[in-house]
Amino acid sequence: GAGVSQTPSNKVTEKGKYVELRCDPISGHTALYWYRQSLGQGPEFLIYFQGTGAADDSGLPNDRFFAVRPEGSVSTLKIQRTERGDSAVYLCASRSPGLGSNEQFFGPGTRLTVL
Amino acid sequence: AQSVTQLGSHVSVSEGALVLLRCNYSSSVPPYLFWYVQYPNQGLQLLLKYTTGATLVKGINGFEAEFKKSETSFHLTKPSAHMSDAAEYFCAVSEGFGNEKLTFGTGTRLTIIP
Repeated sequence: GAGVSQTPSNKVTEKGKYVELRCDPISGHTALYWYRQSLGQGPEFLIYFQGTGAADDSGLPNDRFFAVRPEGSVSTLKIQRTERGDSAVYLCASRSPGLGSNEQFFGPGTRLTVL
Repeated sequence: AQSVTQLGSHVSVSEGALVLLRCNYSSSVPPYLFWYVQYPNQGLQLLLKYTTGATLVKGINGFEAEFKKSETSFHLTKPSAHMSDAAEYFCAVSEGFGNEKLTFGTGTRLTIIP
């Protein structure tokens, strides 16, 4: 597809379970971002990938959160031992390489509900 | 560190009236500034951005914003509101090339009154 896609669109899990959220960026975009949007709030930065490596993971709230991008394209956000406070919409964005490229294109998000 | 303040979590305007959504930012370096729009059950869409150069920037759907360094503001305006403008609007700041992560405000929900 032409845009950023995220799967699943909705995920309901129980407290303590493990979840994986997937992001497919726009083809050719080397930069990939994860954000988390809680109800009534703006998106909050979690982690930024440049290629395969995490260039900035300062937004990850704790060590239960982890993200990978092994081939520099698809990324997976992994959450261990989920807590009710993890319920939010998780957004992925990608950006094309090169100087002057500063627009991030966002996917529709994955709504995570932890019961 | 960066931060964004959006005054007014909810704004209502009549169809055809001026739209003004306020955004103030804080940044330790010259900022890049963005406005995004989010329609229900859709992803964020870029309306416009300021990086360098002309301080009045025009975006899609008739929106524009002016970067005012002295006021640390980047307010969004549209001369005449349309029913289709009803959405959530987010102002965001980044520190520019090399640190592109976005810091968002809490958003302003715009309602258009017929």
